[in-house]
Amino acid sequence: GEDVEQSLFLSVREGDSSVINCTYTDSSSTYLYWYKQEPGAGLQLLTYIFSNMDMKQDQRLTVLLNKKDKHLSLRIADTQTGDSAIYFCAEGLYGNKLVFGAGTILRVKS
Amino acid sequence: GAGVSQSPRYKVTKRGQDVALRCDPISGHVSLYWYRQALGQGPEFLTYFNYEAQQDKSGLPNDRFSAERPEGSISTLTIQRTEQRDSAMYRCASSPLGGTHQETQYFGPGTRLLVL
Repeated sequence: GEDVEQSLFLSVREGDSSVINCTYTDSSSTYLYWYKQEPGAGLQLLTYIFSNMDMKQDQRLTVLLNKKDKHLSLRIADTQTGDSAIYFCAEGLYGNKLVFGAGTILRVKS
Repeated sequence: GAGVSQSPRYKVTKRGQDVALRCDPISGHVSLYWYRQALGQGPEFLTYFNYEAQQDKSGLPNDRFSAERPEGSISTLTIQRTEQRDSAMYRCASSPLGGTHQETQYFGPGTRLLVL
């Protein structure tokens, strides 16, 4: 079955790194995504990784993929108060259907 | 407009009433998706279209829910005889190329539905 799991809450200090973890179940996923949701706003695509990659870096964001363990992580370097939001991991399935986790609330303390 | 738009942004209705939620995708995007997001959860797939054809409606919870996209652009999600459990954020997304390969989906701001 399809299932994506994430830890519910993460609190970090401004300037530290944040690491948000995710596990998924469907090995046929070809893309895995990270979305950001701020209050009153839509879901914003942050980054994605193709399943044959194990790392992708995009400015302050680093995505690590362990396909064997079906584990995905998002690292945010030099976390800022503006990074406070809910972060969703999603796996892309056949037919372009996305399956989302429940989201991780990131709180950044100044 | 540049992004996906949805209307209304908020809808309060009484149990038993029908509601229609509208999505206007990014111009030229082939695929359009509907998701439902309960409080404290991630979005859950409902249905999607390529052009005007409904490709997958496996996520629609029951026959009170239907969706259409008659001209391959704007889509309407209709919920008949609403129930309190239908209260949620309804999100629409679009993607440019369609087909079965994966591509980035761009989400709208959502419609928050409250059924009293």
